[in-house]
Amino acid sequence: GNSVTQMEGPVTLSEEAFLTINCTYTATGYPSLFWYVQYPGEGLQLLLKATKADDKGSNKGFEATYRKETTSFHLEKGSVQVSDSAVYFCASANTGNQFYFGTGTSLTVIP
Amino acid sequence: DAGVIQSPRHEVTEMGQEVTLRCKPISGHNSLFWYRQTMMRGLELLIYFNNNVPIDDSGMPEDRFSAKMPNASFSTLKIQPSEPRDSAVYFCASRRQDTTEAFFGQGTRLTVV
Repeated sequence: GNSVTQMEGPVTLSEEAFLTINCTYTATGYPSLFWYVQYPGEGLQLLLKATKADDKGSNKGFEATYRKETTSFHLEKGSVQVSDSAVYFCASANTGNQFYFGTGTSLTVIP
Repeated sequence: DAGVIQSPRHEVTEMGQEVTLRCKPISGHNSLFWYRQTMMRGLELLIYFNNNVPIDDSGMPEDRFSAKMPNASFSTLKIQPSEPRDSAVYFCASRRQDTTEAFFGQGTRLTVV
């Protein structure tokens, strides 16, 4: 079946540190992969996505590459800011079907 | 576009009362999802619709929960009777059926006392 596993949190980093949040997936077929971000008191917002192998999604300095050989979609950012503090969710979905979300990783960036 | 609109944003109700949560999906989107989020269980899919038809309701906790989508622009999630363990944030999301990314509403924070 389909599932998404992501790195347990919480993660605490100093401002300007490098961020990696690991995500791996199992799926039938070739799903699209996503990172969603949830700021306190808000809904989930799409951060970036990739639809096929070797695609790189990027947005607001965040990047993730669809790695079919390792079934991974790790989220990275070279220099985090305090405003990046949020919960990050990795997800997969095939067209017309439901989403599979990871458990979320809480990130706190301290000045 | 106004995005996915949920109402109310906050609801406090007494145990045993009926609660109705509402969702207006993005115009043109024909898939709609209801999720529940708690600290203990994370994000759980309750039900999703394609073209107003329920496709998978296996996540609906029990018969006290019901969801309807009478038309393409409106859906409700009803809990009757409500219990304290139903306290959570309920999210609605919508998607165009020929795409994969979904867009979430701001959620309804439900507290049952």
